[in-house]
Amino acid sequence: EAGVAQSPRYKIIEKRQSVAFWCNPISGHATLYWYQQILGQGPKLLIQFQNNGVVDDSQLPKDRFSAERLKGVDSTLKIQPAKLEDSAVYLCASSLDRGFFFLNTEAFFGQGTRLTVV
Amino acid sequence: DQQVKQNSPSLSVQEGRISILNCDYTNSMFDYFLWYKKYPAEGPTFLISISSIKDKNEDGRFTVFLNKSAKHLSLHIVPSQPGDSAVYFCAASLLYNTDKLIFGTGTRLQVFP
Repeated sequence: EAGVAQSPRYKIIEKRQSVAFWCNPISGHATLYWYQQILGQGPKLLIQFQNNGVVDDSQLPKDRFSAERLKGVDSTLKIQPAKLEDSAVYLCASSLDRGFFFLNTEAFFGQGTRLTVV
Repeated sequence: DQQVKQNSPSLSVQEGRISILNCDYTNSMFDYFLWYKKYPAEGPTFLISISSIKDKNEDGRFTVFLNKSAKHLSLHIVPSQPGDSAVYFCAASLLYNTDKLIFGTGTRLQVFP
């Protein structure tokens, strides 16, 4: 079974530039997550999709970050304009459905995209 | 406000011995707890979980203990193997929002021969 695919693996941009990350979840997974992991910290949820609808984006800095999941499959996360503090690893995860425990649907993570803003 | 804390950034254990990784949390409403393991350049992988109605869950060499009164959980790995060397994240969620995981900062475990 193919895992969660993310691209690019690495990206270096200057502040105020724009950047986009792409995620292809495991086939058939309805739930998709984007996490931000700053160096020395644990992953922090940015946005959660259920199919092509947003379930939770309470921690997404909406003035500069946007995400979409067209057709309920692939997803893109965009930052415009980037700031130095956006330097982090951006992790995409997917799960069969919502509810880690009720449905025993653990989340599978991709390798992440390491963003460096200079 | 760090609701899930892993106060030991690193741990070094000899192969064959027990590894104990600790995690503390501040929100008494957390109902579910998970441990994820992360190798370099890879995404975290789910390891083991526990519900707040239990105080212990075991899966092979891995056991998680939960002490709700102390708001503390621990992951025991017995016996430790070199392949266990990774960063371990503790995470917690609420009953009514089990999808939203709050992660700790991680503990880097190194198992040496």
